[in-house]
Amino acid sequence: RKEVEQDPGPFNVPEGATVAFNCTYSNSASQSFFWYRQDCRKEPKLLMSVYSSGNEDGRFTAQLNRASQYISLLIRDSKLSDSATYLCVVNMKNGGSQGNLIFGKGTKLSVKP
Amino acid sequence: DVKVTQSSRYLVKRTGEKVFLECVQDMDHENMFWYRQDPGLGLRLIYFSYDVKMKEKGDIPEGYSVSREKKERFSLILESASTNQTSMYLCASSFRRQGQILYLYEQYFGPGTRLTVT
Repeated sequence: RKEVEQDPGPFNVPEGATVAFNCTYSNSASQSFFWYRQDCRKEPKLLMSVYSSGNEDGRFTAQLNRASQYISLLIRDSKLSDSATYLCVVNMKNGGSQGNLIFGKGTKLSVKP
Repeated sequence: DVKVTQSSRYLVKRTGEKVFLECVQDMDHENMFWYRQDPGLGLRLIYFSYDVKMKEKGDIPEGYSVSREKKERFSLILESASTNQTSMYLCASSFRRQGQILYLYEQYFGPGTRLTVT
């Protein structure tokens, strides 16, 4: 099983649609989870952290399911400006005393007028 | 706001040249990272550092070395550039919470350096 796995998409949706991305992770001991957004030819930028109880930021909702080892991102009322690649990020302990963040390959979203 | 800067946005070098990529962060972060990003492969960790003069190998360290002489600066060195090192290089930094080794704060990225080796 890959460490962090995402559907690469692309997801093509009309403006105003609701879209959901899922991401699975392999390490049950993982403690921190994030969603990043990356625009074309730009650096990844933190969209939101994902907390155990789930959290919401405006049109964006993130959920964590530890039992099934997946996290999700829901975008409501999609805007053209939401078009980007969304990266799922999970921490993994890698043998040393510190863990590392592992980035999924991303899910591409394209919002059309 | 956290600011991570990289010395060049675009760089073209010849095979065999020694290449230095510089990264500076202004938030007093303990951790710094170097990644490369290639289409279809995602972000891959090259090296990271948890403190000054400390470095650890990531997933793909071959052909690279790093230097961290000051807390705010982390340099990536390509000892002898090769065409398969043509890529987007991204530097990142984060806090490290003392005593909570399994929890990592989010990472903040620089704008990236697009390196072409000919």
